Amino acid sequence: EIVLTQSPGTLSLSPGERATLSCRASQSVSSSYLAWYQQKPGQAPRLLIYGASSRATGIPDRFSGSGSGTDFTLTISRLEPEDFAVYYCQQYGSAYTFGQGTKLEIK
Amino acid sequence: QVQLQESGPGLVKPSQTLSLTCTVSGGSISSGDYYWSWIRQPPGKGLEWIGYIYYSGSTYYNPSLKSRVTISVDTSKNQFSLKLSSVTAADTAVYYCARGTVTAFDYWGQGTLVTVSS
Repeated sequence: EIVLTQSPGTLSLSPGERATLSCRASQSVSSSYLAWYQQKPGQAPRLLIYGASSRATGIPDRFSGSGSGTDFTLTISRLEPEDFAVYYCQQYGSAYTFGQGTKLEIK
Repeated sequence: QVQLQESGPGLVKPSQTLSLTCTVSGGSISSGDYYWSWIRQPPGKGLEWIGYIYYSGSTYYNPSLKSRVTISVDTSKNQFSLKLSSVTAADTAVYYCARGTVTAFDYWGQGTLVTVSS
């Protein structure tokens, strides 16, 4: 099983700042099979990025994804108030696994 | 717009079988382009994929849950279902159904909380 480790666990930033979230895999992941989700309290996760760098339908361009192999990054270029949430990375290898999440909180 | 809705008991006794159904609207399970998954999230914790089913009935389960999981599909009702046997308190979670490909899950149900307690 491929284990995804996200860092940091909690990220405290202010609106307007840039956020960089990391996802590291225990073994190489095909870029085609790496995705990022946003989850707000009481809601289902929402797909942000698939294929490591492709934005899902309706996702603002301030969200971007990058990386390959074992290291992937989600960047939010300029934080809006609605961006404060928990973010998960997910991969598909022999099975789907998720990272443990990064909580993005208002500083 | 595709919508998914979970339904089933919110309370299950230990050692019994958890049963949930996901009803899909706005799209056909039989389209063949997607895998239909169950994913769960214990309170305050992260996400765990349980398994998926293809419209043909082929399935793939999380190896850690495989011995207790059965996912089935009813294309005539545009529904798919989850059965998880021999539940314990550790199976208490919000259960989501989701539409996916091999890359990602693009549509999710709102989730349903299932509590395992006597």
